[in-house]
Amino acid sequence: DQQVKQNSPSLSVQEGRISILNCDYTNSMFDYFLWYKKYPAEGPTFLISISSIKDKNEDGRFTVFLNKSAKHLSLHIVPSQPGDSAVYFCAASAKGGSEKLVFGKGMKLTVNP
Amino acid sequence: DGGITQSPKYLFRKEGQNVTLSCEQNLNHDAMYWYRQDPGQGLRLIYYSQIVNDFQKGDIAEGYSVSREKKESFPLTVTSAQKNPTAFYLCASSAYRAAEAFFGQGTRLTVV
Repeated sequence: DQQVKQNSPSLSVQEGRISILNCDYTNSMFDYFLWYKKYPAEGPTFLISISSIKDKNEDGRFTVFLNKSAKHLSLHIVPSQPGDSAVYFCAASAKGGSEKLVFGKGMKLTVNP
Repeated sequence: DGGITQSPKYLFRKEGQNVTLSCEQNLNHDAMYWYRQDPGQGLRLIYYSQIVNDFQKGDIAEGYSVSREKKESFPLTVTSAQKNPTAFYLCASSAYRAAEAFFGQGTRLTVV
């Protein structure tokens, strides 16, 4: 039973445009959410996070939006750059982030020059 | 430089042999984790440890074993009981009660 779902396996966008990556969760105990970026044959790197007390968190070109009622979060990348091409994982945790992370299956983003 | 070191990067073993993957961190993190990545499967938790001398099974612990004798080290043994051991293995660590985990570069294990 998947608690964190990334339903679209891939996304392709043009350089300079917005990339929107979506994530849904089913466990209402989750209250802390993270996005990780992963290049092939490397470990994931932390990108941005959001607590359930917020509905938006911004860091440079990256913004994460959280809709608790819909159990949905999204990562916006504006403007998208070719170096953003990677697999992006959504992850969730309970108890303010102190519980172990549960990951989605990932989404491959390709940004075309 | 602080970080997490996994070794080796590539590992080949014959079927039926046990193999141990190394993970060392110098971030002074309390918690350490082992994940497995397979194509289309995302990251699945094998084992995790929140303090020294204590660890818990994750979602896919069967066929694996771990130890946590030192804060810095969390080795993973893939035993012959693991039916499909060929995968990319990732080690991670985090500060106590912190969600942000830092990952190593991974070990690609191939069993032939």
